[in-house]
Amino acid sequence: ETGVTQSPTHLIKTRGQQVTLRCSSQSGHNTVSWYQQALGQGPQFIFQYYREEENGRGNFPPRFSGLQFPNYSSELNVNALELDDSALYLCASSLQMSQETQYFGPGTRLLVL
Amino acid sequence: AQTVTQSQPEMSVQEAETVTLSCTYDTSESDYYLFWYKQPPSRQMILVIRQEAYKQQNATENRFSVNFQKAAKSFSLKISDSQLGDAAMYFCAYRSPIQGAQKLVFGQGTRLTINP
Repeated sequence: ETGVTQSPTHLIKTRGQQVTLRCSSQSGHNTVSWYQQALGQGPQFIFQYYREEENGRGNFPPRFSGLQFPNYSSELNVNALELDDSALYLCASSLQMSQETQYFGPGTRLLVL
Repeated sequence: AQTVTQSQPEMSVQEAETVTLSCTYDTSESDYYLFWYKQPPSRQMILVIRQEAYKQQNATENRFSVNFQKAAKSFSLKISDSQLGDAAMYFCAYRSPIQGAQKLVFGQGTRLTINP
């Protein structure tokens, strides 16, 4: 069974640029959730995708957008990067059933200069 | 909106001893799920244990157990026979069972240090 994978591991961008982060869900999982974890904080929910549609969104501006593909992998896109976007971005996959646990990938560390 | 509070930013314990990490939460829902995740320096969030609110019995996974007090909205994690590999950030998390609202709400975390 393949776990959740994310790419890239680290990324450095400049303020105003755009970034795309990628996530491959665990085998058999059809739901992907994205979280932002600032340094020293707990993760904050960005949004969730189920069968290629957004299925819940946290308190993040529209410049945070996502996609889910037919193979259930997902992308997180952030436009017009700001310094405060520097964080660890975590992807988690699960089955879309109310009792299912979310399993996390290793994260992408984004630094915005 | 649900909130999760971890009041202990840091804890330390001697190897082989027992430590308890605290977590309280606020919700108006009667059914929900609670989790403890561990985040070592490698950054990957690892599930330690989960508890369904409708179950009265406290969850146990080997050396890890919880004390779930639904009325008090308290969900503490007990680690027995602490090992050096237990050193990590520990996060308590809440999840609603409602479709479309199955996000995890995390606490601020507790950094656990194991002293040899």
